[in-house]
Amino acid sequence: LAKTTQPISMDSYEGQEVNITCSHNNIATNDYITWYQQFPSQGPRFIIQGYKTKVTNEVASLFIPADRKSSTLSLPRVSLSDTAVYYCLVVQTGANNLFFGTGTRLTVIP
Amino acid sequence: NAGVTQTPKFQVLKTGQSMTLQCAQDMNHNSMYWYRQDPGMGLRLIYYSASEGTTDKGEVPNGYNVSRLNKREFSLRLESAAPSQTSVYFCASRLTSDTQYFGPGTRLTVL
Repeated sequence: LAKTTQPISMDSYEGQEVNITCSHNNIATNDYITWYQQFPSQGPRFIIQGYKTKVTNEVASLFIPADRKSSTLSLPRVSLSDTAVYYCLVVQTGANNLFFGTGTRLTVIP
Repeated sequence: NAGVTQTPKFQVLKTGQSMTLQCAQDMNHNSMYWYRQDPGMGLRLIYYSASEGTTDKGEVPNGYNVSRLNKREFSLRLESAAPSQTSVYFCASRLTSDTQYFGPGTRLTVL
């Protein structure tokens, strides 16, 4: 399983765009990248998933360069309610076990 | 559609006591998972079940047992609780190579 590395914490002001980068140097051909969000006292919630290039949904965008050794989660115009921990996972296609790291604690400041 | 439900929400045990954490999902998912999350830490996989009748160890299986009772239910048992097992326990389910859906968690304290 490819190990992921992401910043432990980040602060941002309301209304700004936030980019959280995850490093996964040992990603394999069949692996894809998934991001989860976790609010205090709740279970994680799926945000976005991708294999290469760019994926966008109503919540976020995910940018994956051609070498796929890193990925960036982009949250447009964050609000206080985006304060949470964000986890980057590298998942092997068809695998049944997922491994979460320590995540990035994002704090949005008024 | 309740999603993933867990009982109990809170539990306090004394060292050496046993208990079973219950998890059920109504989404007809094949795979189910048990994680633990210690304060300020990420989630660690305890056990998972890829399908009814199968279970496999995750990162931290010692001190736990699991039962995949049927497709809906996946229970986690602590035979002899220890203070090191104080944690928040999350159950999750997944259909295939897709999103994991998490329950609300069980906050366990072992004295």
